[in-house]
Amino acid sequence: EAAVTQSPRNKVTVTGGNVTLSCRQTNSHNYMYWYRQDTGHGLRLIHYSYGAGNLQIGDVPDGYKATRTTQEDFFLLLELASPSQTSLYFCASSDGWGYEQYFGPGTRLTVL
Amino acid sequence: QQKVQQSPESLTVSEGAMASLNCTFSDGTSDNFRWYRQHSGKGLEMLVSIFSDGEKEEGRFTAHLNRASLHVSLHIREPQPSDSAVYLCAVSMLPNSAGNKLTFGIGTRVLVRP
Repeated sequence: EAAVTQSPRNKVTVTGGNVTLSCRQTNSHNYMYWYRQDTGHGLRLIHYSYGAGNLQIGDVPDGYKATRTTQEDFFLLLELASPSQTSLYFCASSDGWGYEQYFGPGTRLTVL
Repeated sequence: QQKVQQSPESLTVSEGAMASLNCTFSDGTSDNFRWYRQHSGKGLEMLVSIFSDGEKEEGRFTAHLNRASLHVSLHIREPQPSDSAVYLCAVSMLPNSAGNKLTFGIGTRVLVRP
């Protein structure tokens, strides 16, 4: 079974702070995704990637950067965090289009 | 832009009774429909994925798809208290770039009473 891990699981920062969320998958999946989940909005796609060095923009990319350093690792960067980015962040991976996406356990980020 | 709406917002059922959840989508060219379960504080667990009109059963979970009506439903047979969770509908379309982008509904909160 695919394993997707995220770190940290919880993070508190202040407005203007610099935050990096990490995601690692161990099943050699090509595609990786970052989502945020907010009450009343469901999960929304921030960025995704189909391989090391590749980055694609999702539906809500403003204020976020992402980097895919290896096939296993995908990072989400908030360089000037704002309270509107307080959310539950999920990483996911999949082997390709139409394949099941495997989700990590989530990172709860609070921006004060 | 794809819109996915779920109903009801919340649902309480007795253990052993059938639970039925609904999901409507706006784009008729959508080609894959999934139901996920999310227990409180946990990640998402995919329950069933359906591509064609009709039904798809995975254990106690059955999805029904009717593209013409822009509707997909989930039925939970003999629900148990451990099925209490938020159920998310997700819809994908043929991508114009790599990756299978999913659009999610906001979920239906299900409570199963013993």
